[in-house]
Amino acid sequence: AQRVTQPEKLLSVFKGAPVELKCNYSYSGSPELFWYVQYSRQRLQLLLRHISRESIKGFTADLNKGETSFHLKKPFAQEEDSAMYYCALSGKNNAGNMLTFGGGTRLMVKP
Amino acid sequence: SAVISQKPSRDICQRGTSLTIQCQVDSQVTMMFWYRQQPGQSLTLIATANQGSEATYESGFVIDKFPISRPNLTFSTLTVSNMSPEDSSIYLCSVEWAPNQPQHFGDGTRLSIL
Repeated sequence: AQRVTQPEKLLSVFKGAPVELKCNYSYSGSPELFWYVQYSRQRLQLLLRHISRESIKGFTADLNKGETSFHLKKPFAQEEDSAMYYCALSGKNNAGNMLTFGGGTRLMVKP
Repeated sequence: SAVISQKPSRDICQRGTSLTIQCQVDSQVTMMFWYRQQPGQSLTLIATANQGSEATYESGFVIDKFPISRPNLTFSTLTVSNMSPEDSSIYLCSVEWAPNQPQHFGDGTRLSIL
């Protein structure tokens, strides 16, 4: 069974402070991991995927297979980063790929 | 990536009735999915909508309660049948527009059952 855990429901930081949103996963195969973000009154959208190894809006995430983690980081938080963040793992079901989501972390960046 | 239109955006329904939610994509996609997000919870996959055949349901979800259609590569419907207050959730459509590409989501349908 595949599982994604985001231990923090809420993370509150001040503008300019570093941010780390934690994500741990459990999966027997080779995982593909994503971070999705939902800004207020907007649809859920893809932020980044681990195989792309890119930085989006200053965010990065590195897959650590030894620690089964995929933490999302940003060195200097901005107020516009305030949103709901979901870590997700893509695994196989009978129909193909399925996404398993973590519980989500609400990031609040205070001025 | 595809433009995903989901409707209705919200509805308030009476107990015991059924509601069909539509998901329309502006280009052909390989995979379409339906998720549920209960209040204060994360997203849970209901089923994968298969084009021209029966949907593949995840554990805890059955066809009688959540019948799904996907008549072509750009359209799918999810029906929530015989609704009860426990069905009050946001229902989301997502698509995989090409093999092994990330899923993209519609705006969701916020459903409240009285």
